[in-house]
Amino acid sequence: DTGVSQDPRHKITKRGQNVTFRCDPISEHNRLYWYRQTLGQGPEFLTYFQNEAQLEKSRLLSDRFSAERPKGSFSTLEIQRTEQGDSAMYLCASSLASMNTEAFFGQGTRLTVV
Amino acid sequence: GENVEQHPSTLSVQEGDSAVIKCTYSDSASNYFPWYKQELGKGPQLIIDIRSNVGEKKDQRIAVTLNKTAKHFSLHITETQPEDSAVYFCAARRPGNQFYFGTGTSLTVIP
Repeated sequence: DTGVSQDPRHKITKRGQNVTFRCDPISEHNRLYWYRQTLGQGPEFLTYFQNEAQLEKSRLLSDRFSAERPKGSFSTLEIQRTEQGDSAMYLCASSLASMNTEAFFGQGTRLTVV
Repeated sequence: GENVEQHPSTLSVQEGDSAVIKCTYSDSASNYFPWYKQELGKGPQLIIDIRSNVGEKKDQRIAVTLNKTAKHFSLHITETQPEDSAVYFCAARRPGNQFYFGTGTSLTVIP
């Protein structure tokens, strides 16, 4: 499979716990995006990387959220001290950095905080 | 930043009829406009896109039109089929920037 891969697909955690999600982009893609989607809404931007550099972070990304892409390939998104409001689908997408290229999404990680 | 509005939020059509979803954007520097289809529990799937140097693009039963002056673009699905039922999202992007998404249209095709 050469698409964007996300792991795990589902995660249930207790409030206050830390969680980490992984995204493996399409292999030749140097840009990687994280989005969050709640029920009935469109994806909301969280952050994106070009290679290993984190170029932009949304105001939605509180101090409890951190993302890394250490070698410019896969990326991780960590949420510390999870809250019920963090329950959402976390989507990863990748693209080439050249102008106006398509972005392809993974299947997402569904997080439920109980 | 960019603001993308999408209408309608829900749309029901009879099988075989056409469906039209409309989006407007605010940032005149946006120049790339993709459309995504999302089925329940899955990630968005790119179905068609249009760049600002083109006014219309068609791919089989799906077409997208762009009016740069009015800053709006539309998705047209002809001869709808039950498998077209899903949530559709429009998006807009400035060069080298993130994507901004509309709030989605839930399309139901009634057999």
